[in-house]
Amino acid sequence: QVQLQESGPGLVKPSETLSLTCAVSGYSISNGYYGGWIRQPPGKGLEWIGSIYHSGSTYYNPSLRSRVTISVDTSKNQFSLKLTSVTAADTAVYYCARDTGITLGGTIDYWGQGALVTVSS
Amino acid sequence: QTVVTQEPSLTVSPGGTVTLTCASSTGAVTSDYYPNWFQQKPGQAPRALIYSTSNKQSWTPARFSGSLLGGKAALTLSGVQPEDEADYYCLLHYGGAQPHLVFGGGTKLTVL
Repeated sequence: QVQLQESGPGLVKPSETLSLTCAVSGYSISNGYYGGWIRQPPGKGLEWIGSIYHSGSTYYNPSLRSRVTISVDTSKNQFSLKLTSVTAADTAVYYCARDTGITLGGTIDYWGQGALVTVSS
Repeated sequence: QTVVTQEPSLTVSPGGTVTLTCASSTGAVTSDYYPNWFQQKPGQAPRALIYSTSNKQSWTPARFSGSLLGGKAALTLSGVQPEDEADYYCLLHYGGAQPHLVFGGGTKLTVL
């Protein structure tokens, strides 16, 4: 079955770079799907960060674009998130998910369990 | 900055019917926004329910349905069950030169 699993440091210092990886199983990233990142600050709502196609095409949240990079490694069937210059406001549970893109229905159908990242010195 | 607005909270009785809505600051929501709906229970990841306005995921119970209503996307729960108590989020797709997705602020549904 389709599974996604986030991994990476749970604690990042202010001004440093947050890095997370999403390992995918149950389907091949190369089969026309996007990989997406979504975050949720404690007690708050969901915020879409960005998505990447297997070809490397990306689209990002305009409010985060200057600090976000999403990359893909099809050989490892995984995709990654980097968020630079973090502050306490970036403390959140970070989810990776499968984004089908609008050509395949426009849904985010499978989600990882989420990884809590705290920004603190 | 695009804003997607949902009711902050709604209450429904078991067995009742409730409709949640999702509005866009850019104007009327149409099928071109590929509206999605997600359910999230405490401590869990969101679960996809509805995509492209009204299409159900394979695991979505029949009592959930999606539509367009008065310029908004809508999620209707008919015959509400206690286990439907959760937060519900809509998601809209925005095209143009810089395509992006925006979640609504969420609706906390209480079954009482």
